[in-house]
Amino acid sequence: AQSVTQLDSHVSVSEGTPVLLRCNYSSSYSPSLFWYVQHPNKGLQLLLKYTSAATLVKGINGFEAEFKKSETSFHLTKPSAHMSDAAEYFCVVTPRGGRRALTFGSGTRLQVQP
Amino acid sequence: DAGVIQSPRHEVTEMGQEVTLRCKPISGHDYLFWYRQTMMRGLELLIYFNNNVPIDDSGMPEDRFSAKMPNASFSTLKIQPSEPRDSAVYFCASSLEGGVFSPQHFGDGTRLSIL
Repeated sequence: AQSVTQLDSHVSVSEGTPVLLRCNYSSSYSPSLFWYVQHPNKGLQLLLKYTSAATLVKGINGFEAEFKKSETSFHLTKPSAHMSDAAEYFCVVTPRGGRRALTFGSGTRLQVQP
Repeated sequence: DAGVIQSPRHEVTEMGQEVTLRCKPISGHDYLFWYRQTMMRGLELLIYFNNNVPIDDSGMPEDRFSAKMPNASFSTLKIQPSEPRDSAVYFCASSLEGGVFSPQHFGDGTRLSIL
Protein backbone atom coordinates (compact mmCIF):
# COMPACT_ATOMS: atom_id res chain seq x y z
CA ALA A 1 0.00 0.00 0.00
CA GLN A 2 1.13 3.54 -0.54
CA SER A 3 0.01 6.92 0.68
CA VAL A 4 1.19 10.48 0.73
CA THR A 5 0.54 13.22 3.27
CA GLN A 6 0.93 16.88 2.54
CA LEU A 7 1.39 18.46 5.92
CA ASP A 8 0.02 21.92 5.09
CA SER A 9 -3.19 22.65 3.25
CA HIS A 10 -2.26 26.33 2.86
CA VAL A 11 1.08 28.12 2.80
CA SER A 12 1.47 31.87 2.48
CA VAL A 13 4.80 33.56 1.73
CA SER A 14 5.95 36.98 0.62
CA GLU A 15 7.37 37.49 -2.82
CA GLY A 16 11.13 36.97 -2.79
CA THR A 17 11.15 34.74 0.31
CA PRO A 18 11.79 30.97 0.36
CA VAL A 19 9.07 28.40 -0.22
CA LEU A 20 8.79 25.09 1.63
CA LEU A 21 5.97 22.67 0.89
CA ARG A 22 6.10 19.51 2.97
CA CYS A 23 5.33 15.97 1.89
CA ASN A 24 5.67 12.64 3.68
CA TYR A 25 5.02 9.31 2.05
CA SER A 26 4.61 5.67 2.88
CA SER A 27 5.09 2.88 0.42
CA SER A 28 5.45 -0.88 0.57
CA TYR A 29 7.68 -0.69 -2.46
CA SER A 30 10.62 1.43 -3.43
CA PRO A 31 8.74 4.54 -4.47
CA SER A 32 8.96 7.11 -7.17
CA LEU A 33 7.81 10.56 -6.20
CA PHE A 34 6.56 13.55 -8.12
CA TRP A 35 5.44 17.10 -7.56
CA TYR A 36 2.73 18.51 -9.79
CA VAL A 37 1.41 22.08 -9.89
CA GLN A 38 -2.12 23.15 -10.77
CA HIS A 39 -2.92 26.72 -11.68
CA PRO A 40 -6.55 27.90 -11.48
CA ASN A 41 -8.82 26.30 -14.07
CA LYS A 42 -5.94 24.31 -15.49
CA GLY A 43 -4.79 20.72 -15.46
CA LEU A 44 -1.81 19.49 -13.52
CA GLN A 45 1.72 20.08 -14.75
CA LEU A 46 4.76 18.06 -13.73
CA LEU A 47 7.28 20.07 -11.71
CA LEU A 48 9.83 17.36 -10.98
CA LYS A 49 10.24 13.65 -10.33
CA TYR A 50 12.42 11.36 -8.25
CA THR A 51 13.09 7.90 -9.66
CA SER A 52 16.09 6.60 -7.65
CA ALA A 53 18.85 8.63 -9.21
CA ALA A 54 20.13 11.70 -7.34
CA THR A 55 18.25 12.39 -4.12
CA LEU A 56 18.19 16.12 -4.83
CA VAL A 57 15.96 16.69 -7.81
CA LYS A 58 15.75 19.94 -9.76
CA GLY A 59 12.57 20.84 -11.57
CA ILE A 60 11.12 23.64 -13.61
CA ASN A 61 10.74 27.25 -12.51
CA GLY A 62 13.51 27.01 -9.90
CA PHE A 63 11.85 24.36 -7.74
CA GLU A 64 13.71 21.45 -6.25
CA ALA A 65 12.97 18.60 -3.87
CA GLU A 66 15.08 16.29 -1.75
CA PHE A 67 14.26 12.63 -1.22
CA LYS A 68 15.05 11.59 2.36
CA LYS A 69 14.43 7.91 2.86
CA SER A 70 15.19 7.98 6.59
CA GLU A 71 12.52 10.63 7.09
CA THR A 72 10.17 9.33 4.34
CA SER A 73 9.94 12.88 3.09
CA PHE A 74 10.03 14.64 -0.25
CA HIS A 75 9.71 18.35 0.54
CA LEU A 76 9.48 20.92 -2.25
CA THR A 77 11.52 24.11 -2.00
CA LYS A 78 12.30 27.26 -3.92
CA PRO A 79 14.77 29.92 -2.78
CA SER A 80 12.69 32.91 -3.83
CA ALA A 81 8.95 32.96 -4.45
CA HIS A 82 7.44 34.73 -7.43
CA MET A 83 3.86 35.89 -7.77
CA SER A 84 3.36 33.41 -10.61
CA ASP A 85 4.10 30.54 -8.20
CA ALA A 86 0.69 30.98 -6.57
CA ALA A 87 -1.09 27.70 -7.30
CA GLU A 88 -1.96 24.33 -5.79
CA TYR A 89 0.82 21.79 -5.45
CA PHE A 90 0.39 18.04 -5.29
CA CYS A 91 2.86 15.48 -4.00
CA VAL A 92 2.44 12.13 -5.74
CA VAL A 93 3.78 8.63 -5.04
CA THR A 94 3.81 5.47 -7.04
CA PRO A 95 5.69 2.19 -6.65
CA ARG A 96 8.62 2.03 -9.02
CA GLY A 97 8.60 -0.30 -11.97
CA GLY A 98 4.95 -1.11 -12.07
CA ARG A 99 1.91 0.12 -13.80
CA ARG A 100 0.20 1.18 -10.66
CA ALA A 101 -1.76 4.37 -10.65
CA LEU A 102 -0.49 7.53 -9.06
CA THR A 103 -1.53 8.30 -5.49
CA PHE A 104 -2.07 12.03 -5.01
CA GLY A 105 -1.72 14.03 -1.83
CA SER A 106 -4.52 16.34 -0.80
CA GLY A 107 -2.69 19.38 -2.14
CA THR A 108 -1.12 22.53 -0.70
CA ARG A 109 -2.37 25.89 -1.81
CA LEU A 110 0.49 28.37 -2.06
CA GLN A 111 -0.29 32.06 -1.74
CA VAL A 112 2.35 34.63 -2.61
CA GLN A 113 1.92 38.08 -1.10
CA PRO A 114 3.37 41.13 -2.82
CA ASP B 1 2.75 20.69 -29.99
CA ALA B 2 -0.86 20.06 -28.99
CA GLY B 3 -1.47 18.86 -25.47
CA VAL B 4 -4.33 16.77 -24.15
CA ILE B 5 -7.59 18.25 -25.37
CA GLN B 6 -10.81 17.88 -23.42
CA SER B 7 -14.31 18.93 -24.34
CA PRO B 8 -16.48 20.51 -23.29
CA ARG B 9 -14.70 22.80 -20.81
CA HIS B 10 -17.91 23.35 -18.90
CA GLU B 11 -21.12 21.35 -18.76
CA VAL B 12 -24.26 22.17 -16.83
CA THR B 13 -27.15 19.76 -16.99
CA GLU B 14 -30.08 18.49 -14.96
CA MET B 15 -29.97 15.32 -12.97
CA GLY B 16 -31.03 12.24 -14.86
CA GLN B 17 -29.51 13.41 -18.12
CA GLU B 18 -26.73 11.60 -19.90
CA VAL B 19 -23.37 13.35 -19.89
CA THR B 20 -20.50 12.57 -22.24
CA LEU B 21 -17.02 13.93 -21.69
CA ARG B 22 -14.42 13.71 -24.43
CA CYS B 23 -10.66 13.49 -24.53
CA LYS B 24 -8.02 13.54 -27.23
CA PRO B 25 -4.66 12.37 -25.87
CA ILE B 26 -1.27 13.47 -27.10
CA SER B 27 -0.40 11.67 -30.31
CA GLY B 28 1.83 8.66 -29.66
CA HIS B 29 0.92 8.29 -26.01
CA ASP B 30 -0.06 4.73 -25.14
CA TYR B 31 -1.72 5.40 -21.79
CA LEU B 32 -4.83 7.41 -21.06
CA PHE B 33 -6.19 8.23 -17.61
CA TRP B 34 -9.48 9.69 -16.38
CA TYR B 35 -9.51 11.52 -13.03
CA ARG B 36 -12.15 13.27 -10.97
CA GLN B 37 -11.36 16.19 -8.68
CA THR B 38 -13.62 17.43 -5.88
CA MET B 39 -13.02 19.51 -2.78
CA MET B 40 -14.07 16.65 -0.54
CA ARG B 41 -12.16 13.78 -2.12
CA GLY B 42 -9.33 15.50 -3.95
CA LEU B 43 -8.01 13.91 -7.13
CA GLU B 44 -9.17 10.35 -7.79
CA LEU B 45 -8.23 8.02 -10.61
CA LEU B 46 -11.34 6.59 -12.25
CA ILE B 47 -9.94 4.38 -14.99
CA TYR B 48 -6.95 4.03 -17.25
CA PHE B 49 -6.28 2.51 -20.65
CA ASN B 50 -3.20 1.05 -22.29
CA ASN B 51 -3.28 0.79 -26.08
CA ASN B 52 -7.04 1.45 -26.00
CA VAL B 53 -7.70 -1.41 -23.57
CA PRO B 54 -9.06 -0.66 -20.07
CA ILE B 55 -6.49 -1.84 -17.52
CA ASP B 56 -7.89 -0.72 -14.19
CA ASP B 57 -11.43 0.56 -13.68
CA SER B 58 -11.55 0.00 -9.95
CA GLY B 59 -11.96 3.72 -9.37
CA MET B 60 -15.17 4.00 -11.37
CA PRO B 61 -17.78 4.93 -8.75
CA GLU B 62 -20.66 2.80 -9.98
CA ASP B 63 -22.39 1.38 -13.01
CA ARG B 64 -23.65 4.78 -14.03
CA PHE B 65 -20.11 5.56 -15.18
CA SER B 66 -18.59 4.06 -18.29
CA ALA B 67 -15.51 4.85 -20.35
CA LYS B 68 -14.46 3.84 -23.81
CA MET B 69 -11.45 4.28 -26.03
CA PRO B 70 -12.44 3.28 -29.56
CA ASN B 71 -9.10 4.34 -31.01
CA ALA B 72 -5.75 5.77 -29.99
CA SER B 73 -6.83 9.37 -30.42
CA PHE B 74 -10.16 9.49 -28.64
CA SER B 75 -11.78 8.51 -25.38
CA THR B 76 -15.13 9.21 -23.73
CA LEU B 77 -16.37 9.14 -20.17
CA LYS B 78 -20.12 8.77 -19.91
CA ILE B 79 -22.43 9.22 -16.93
CA GLN B 80 -25.96 7.91 -17.28
CA PRO B 81 -28.07 8.89 -15.43
CA SER B 82 -26.24 11.82 -13.88
CA GLU B 83 -26.73 12.86 -10.26
CA PRO B 84 -25.82 16.08 -8.37
CA ARG B 85 -23.03 14.26 -6.49
CA ASP B 86 -21.28 13.72 -9.83
CA SER B 87 -20.52 17.43 -9.98
CA ALA B 88 -16.74 17.77 -10.17
CA VAL B 89 -13.89 18.62 -12.48
CA TYR B 90 -12.97 15.67 -14.67
CA PHE B 91 -9.45 15.46 -16.03
CA CYS B 92 -8.02 13.36 -18.78
CA ALA B 93 -4.27 12.65 -18.89
CA SER B 94 -2.00 10.72 -21.20
CA SER B 95 1.52 9.37 -20.97
CA LEU B 96 4.04 7.74 -23.23
CA GLU B 97 4.45 4.80 -20.92
CA GLY B 98 2.57 3.58 -17.88
CA GLY B 99 5.66 3.31 -15.79
CA VAL B 100 6.91 5.91 -13.43
CA PHE B 101 9.51 7.31 -15.76
CA SER B 102 6.90 8.81 -18.01
CA PRO B 103 5.08 11.85 -16.66
CA GLN B 104 1.39 12.25 -17.22
CA HIS B 105 0.20 15.21 -19.27
CA PHE B 106 -3.12 16.62 -18.18
CA GLY B 107 -5.84 18.38 -20.10
CA ASP B 108 -7.47 21.51 -18.69
CA GLY B 109 -10.45 19.53 -17.44
CA THR B 110 -14.22 19.56 -17.82
CA ARG B 111 -16.12 21.33 -15.05
CA LEU B 112 -19.37 19.40 -14.65
CA SER B 113 -22.33 20.72 -12.73
CA ILE B 114 -25.41 18.54 -12.25
CA LEU B 115 -28.42 20.49 -11.04
